Amino acid sequence: GQQVMQIPQYQHVQEGEDFTTYCNSSTTLSNIQWYKQRPGGHPVFLIQLVKSGEVKKQKRLTFQFGEAKKNSSLHITATQTTDVGTYFCAGPVGYGGSQGNLIFGKGTKLSVKP
Amino acid sequence: ETGVTQTPRHLVMGMTNKKSLKCEQHLGHNAMYWYKQSAKKPLELMFVYSLEERVENNSVPSRFSPECPNSSHLFLHLHTLQPEDSALYLCASSQDLERGVGYEQYFGPGTRLTVT
Repeated sequence: GQQVMQIPQYQHVQEGEDFTTYCNSSTTLSNIQWYKQRPGGHPVFLIQLVKSGEVKKQKRLTFQFGEAKKNSSLHITATQTTDVGTYFCAGPVGYGGSQGNLIFGKGTKLSVKP
Repeated sequence: ETGVTQTPRHLVMGMTNKKSLKCEQHLGHNAMYWYKQSAKKPLELMFVYSLEERVENNSVPSRFSPECPNSSHLFLHLHTLQPEDSALYLCASSQDLERGVGYEQYFGPGTRLTVT
């Protein structure tokens, strides 16, 4: 069945270093979404990418959607301790099919050492 | 954030108990979801409702029983649970449920469930 895979599963960085997480779908997606879950919290929607090759920025966060609309990345420049958490990507189930809910990747857990 | 609320926030129950989890969304959304989050399976979709009609049940054991009386409220009734059901149960809502679209989801704070 349809799968959304994320790597790495864990990432430990020193504060100030950059961080990137990658998301790959087994099928073409109509859009890709990114969520952040802080420790002890719940997933919070960050952004949605829709167009092939789209790049969006939110301060130090840069999101990309691949040309084939099957992969995406989230890059954080100069990480801060406030970036700690798990980052999930998600895409719609059954693009062109009968369902409209999301399938989530397993997430990348980021820890930042001060 | 108060768009999606869940009660209780923490619940400890024995295997023979019956309890219910409640979710309420104040966003005017038409679709609601239950997820189970554990260390083994970070976000496991359990049930999906669209306009109060269940549209997906991901092979969830019958000891979990959902109820959606209206588009703002969602319940998860629990009975004779097992210790492996201990997890964070998250409720979410989205504007709609539309073929191939995948609207962004807004999550509640979750109920941390411990089954003893």
